[in-house]
Amino acid sequence: AQTVTQSQPEMSVQEAETVTLSCTYDTSESDYYLFWYKQPPSRQMILVIRQEAYKQQNATENRFSVNFQKAAKSFSLKISDSQLGDAAMYFCAYRRLYSGNTPLVFGKGTRLSVIA
Amino acid sequence: KAGVTQTPRYLIKTRGQQVTLSCSPISGHRSVSWYQQTPGQGLQFLFEYFSETQRNKGNFPGRFSGRQFSNSRSEMNVSTLELGDSALYLCASSSGRTDTQYFGPGTRLTVL
Repeated sequence: AQTVTQSQPEMSVQEAETVTLSCTYDTSESDYYLFWYKQPPSRQMILVIRQEAYKQQNATENRFSVNFQKAAKSFSLKISDSQLGDAAMYFCAYRRLYSGNTPLVFGKGTRLSVIA
Repeated sequence: KAGVTQTPRYLIKTRGQQVTLSCSPISGHRSVSWYQQTPGQGLQFLFEYFSETQRNKGNFPGRFSGRQFSNSRSEMNVSTLELGDSALYLCASSSGRTDTQYFGPGTRLTVL
């Protein structure tokens, strides 16, 4: 079974600084998706970024980028120019490509605090 | 496009009662998945429906059930509620092509 591990339960960053959240996963599949979701205090789970494992180029969405290391099964999220609104729980998630009927597998999450 | 909507947003029930939660997916999305989120267990998959058929089911007791209607709206039902069923229940929809799931705001269920 696939597993996702987020080893940092909590992190903090100064406003305008850069922070990196770590995620590792375990799978025997070669094709899959990886996601970072953000869950602010409002509890709405928001998609931050998505990476297809067959793409070598790291995904980027504005201030958010990933460092995807397929061989190491590592998928870290970098947040640049951190803003107060970035404070939230961040979840790393895995889903098999062409999954059809397989669910997202989530890590336990990292709580990010942004210090003004 | 409107996002995923869930109703009600909050529910308080007592042990032994049953509850029905509703989820309306993004227009055009045919897949609806349900997840339970608790502080202790994190996010756990309940089940997924696609075109009115349950495609996958997580490791939950039979008290948890669901269904999907022809308009892709989905409901989940929990019978004989237990204290441990207190959780945030999240619904997510996807088009099936991109495999990206978009989540609703959740229903916070409290069982007393």
